[in-house]
Amino acid sequence: GQSLEQPSEVTAVEGAIVQINCTYQTSGFYGLSWYQQHDGGAPTFLSYNGLDGLEETGRFSSFLSRSDSYGYLLLQELQMKDSASYFCAVRADSSGSARQLTFGSGTQLTVLP
Amino acid sequence: DSGVTQTPKHLITATGQRVTLRCSPRSGDLSVYWYQQSLDQGLQFLIQYYNGEERAKGNILERFSAQQFPDLHSELNLSSLELGDSALYFCASSVDRDRATDTQYFGPGTRLTVL
Repeated sequence: GQSLEQPSEVTAVEGAIVQINCTYQTSGFYGLSWYQQHDGGAPTFLSYNGLDGLEETGRFSSFLSRSDSYGYLLLQELQMKDSASYFCAVRADSSGSARQLTFGSGTQLTVLP
Repeated sequence: DSGVTQTPKHLITATGQRVTLRCSPRSGDLSVYWYQQSLDQGLQFLIQYYNGEERAKGNILERFSAQQFPDLHSELNLSSLELGDSALYFCASSVDRDRATDTQYFGPGTRLTVL
């Protein structure tokens, strides 16, 4: 099976930089995804890392180290609207070779003025 | 707006009852996924369909079943409902079946309350 660990809560001030870490244990690993979910809303895709290194998309960057089974999401120039839950998710083989997404429990980010 | 639609938005029912949740994927997407999210919990994968066929099963209870129709919309059937089934149920869709870079797009969810 798969398991993921990420902090349950992170707090930062507007304009700051915050890093949300994710460690995982899985077999048949293909990649690590990040999703954002505002309270009661639908999860929305932020980024995907299939290879080691950094992927940058605007204010958000995501990093993966396959050898360390570790990744992080970096949010820069924080804005109040970034207050949300952030989920890491591993894409891995399971029975039947279907590459399911397994989600972590989520990190609640609170951005303070 | 992801392009994935789910109905109904809210559903309130009693224990022991049966309900059906409906999902229409984005135009062109062949895969549909169902997830359950309980209060303050992550997303638990339930089941995946690809082009009408069941592709993968996650932690789906035997009381739950799903299907994907020829027009690619999907329904999740929950029966003999228990209080613990109260949750947000999300449907997601993607273009491909299991390509690693395939992005899943989530619908707005159905909030099920079992009283």
